[in-house]
Amino acid sequence: EVQLVESGGGLVKPGGSLRLSCAASGFTFSSYSMNWVRQAPGKGLEWVSSISSSSSYIYYADSVKGRFTISRDNAKNSLYLQMNSLRAEDTAVYYCARLVGATVKEWGQGTLVTVSS
Amino acid sequence: QSALTQPASVSGSPGQSITISCTGTSSDVGSYNLVSWYQQHPGKAPKLMIYEVSKRPSGVSNRFSGSKSGNTASLTISGLQAEDEADYYCCSYAGSSNVVFGGGTKLTVL
Repeated sequence: EVQLVESGGGLVKPGGSLRLSCAASGFTFSSYSMNWVRQAPGKGLEWVSSISSSSSYIYYADSVKGRFTISRDNAKNSLYLQMNSLRAEDTAVYYCARLVGATVKEWGQGTLVTVSS
Repeated sequence: QSALTQPASVSGSPGQSITISCTGTSSDVGSYNLVSWYQQHPGKAPKLMIYEVSKRPSGVSNRFSGSKSGNTASLTISGLQAEDEADYYCCSYAGSSNVVFGGGTKLTVL
């Protein structure tokens, strides 16, 4: 069974930083692209970033480019999202998601990030 | 990276059929047969219902079906049931490993 477990969310002040982690199990992590998708309270889903299986290709949404950094450690079956210069509009539940082709096949349970003074 | 356009809400009575539309552009929905649909109940993670326009994952009821014409994809739910009440999101590949989501549609079963 595929499992994606996010951690690292919490309350942070505007301008602050946070690092999210996603522990993956139940599949060959090193073979798949991974993504972060977020959902602001009461809002829709927004793709944030993707990283290819070997970290060769990395992409970001315009809204986070230059502030967020996605990375992975295939030896630890883990995905990360370093978030710097956080803004109130970054407040959201952040989901770790496994992409198969262009389809998000599995989602984690999400971790809430709140940016507020 | 503009969001795909979905109606904010749709409703139907038990047993009826409803269709949710998802309109994109020639750069996303119109260019790829890579549209997926997700169901999300309150406080839960999204669940994949349809992928690659019309394919159903194992375990998803055949009451759910998908289609596409031009820049618009559609999700049809037949034989509406109370448990179908949820938010539904479409998603399309948009090139360069990017995906774009729709704004979401709230389905109410009357």
